[in-house]
Order: sequence, then structure tokens, then C-alpha cells
Amino acid sequence: EAQVTQNPRYLITVTGKKLTVTCSQNMNHEYMSWYRQDPGLGLRQIYYSMNVEVTDKGDVPEGYKVSRKEKRNFPLILESPSPNQTSLYFCASRQGVGETQYFGPGTRLLVL
Amino acid sequence: SQQGEEDPQALSIQEGENATMNCSYKTSINNLQWYRQNSGRGLVHLILIRSNEREKHSGRLRVTLDTSKKSSSLLITASRAADTASYFCATDGKGSGNTGKLIFGQGTTLQVKP
Repeated sequence: EAQVTQNPRYLITVTGKKLTVTCSQNMNHEYMSWYRQDPGLGLRQIYYSMNVEVTDKGDVPEGYKVSRKEKRNFPLILESPSPNQTSLYFCASRQGVGETQYFGPGTRLLVL
Repeated sequence: SQQGEEDPQALSIQEGENATMNCSYKTSINNLQWYRQNSGRGLVHLILIRSNEREKHSGRLRVTLDTSKKSSSLLITASRAADTASYFCATDGKGSGNTGKLIFGQGTTLQVKP
């Protein structure tokens, strides 16, 4: 089944404790993105990647890092999480410009 | 500001009725996509309509696009209780280049009463 997977689905952590949210897609898509969803602010793009080793900042990249060492994986790294990063995070992928964007199931993060 | 703005913000109907949601956006687009989200869960892709298309159907869904008015509508016919969810429009702007960024509206919360 074609899908985008994320892990973990739920995470509670404390301020400053580094964490990684994994994302994987099995559709051989070139493009991948990370979004966060917050009440009243909607979904906003954090980082995106056009291909292996090619990543760039989205609208709200502060406090996040990403890497794209393999085509299928696009992990989101929070080096030192803070409470304002409490959010619902989505990974997404698409084959090319103007194509359907598929989203993962989401990771709900709470930073205490 | 958000590219897509949806109307109404909330909609409550009886099972079997039709539901119409509208989306307006501000700049030129490659396409517009509609998604469904159940109660803070994942985003499920419903339909993509390209800028050169005016109408598209998928099962009980009908989407229209009017690029001259920069607006789109999603019609769900013969609604079911299982259609209860939030619905978002998302635009893939011509100016987004290779970013893959979709600009989402705030969504319409649909409640279908059995």
C-alpha cells in the first residue's frame, strides 16, 4: 500500500531533550515536506526537500533540522525542544511539482 | 496571510443532505487540493483540480474551480455520519516553485447528524 508513515505517533518530552520524528514514504517520491498544525494558525511548512541531500527552509524552520540521506526517509530533528514546539506534525510527499501531496498520519508532540 | 480561506467555518446538516464548502484564495495556482481531517488526525487527500479544469468528480464529491474569481467549492452529496470531519482546501501556488508548499485554509468543520 502506497503510504507515508511517521513515528512516533504520540510523544511527550521535556524541554531540551533532543528528539527525532521519522518519516518514510514508499512511493519513490522526489519531494518531501514537514508541516506543523496549530489551532488558529493552520498548517505551516517547516522544511522541504526536493531530492536526496537537497533540503531547504519553509515558513517556520526555527528550532528544527532535517536530513535527506535516502530518498524514502526525511526525519525531523528537534535539537532542543521548547514548549512552543508543542504541535501536531505532518510529513508529506509528492512525485513532482503540481502533483498530489500525500500526508502521513501525524505526530502529536507535547513538550513540557 | 493564509492563501485559502474557507466558508463556512462550521456546517451542521442531517444525514442525506448535501454539504457545500467554499474556498477562496489570493494568487495564481497550479492546482487546488481538498483534504479531510477527522478530529485532529491525519490528512486524507480527497481530490486535486488543476488550474485548467473547471469541475471534477470523485464518487459523492464534486469540486469546482473558478480561477477568475479565485474560488473553489466542494460539494458532498447524500452525506453520511461518517463524513463528519474538517475539510481543508490547499493551494499549490505558481510562485511556490520547487518548495512543494501547500497553503491551507482554516478549514470547514462539517457535522452530519444521523
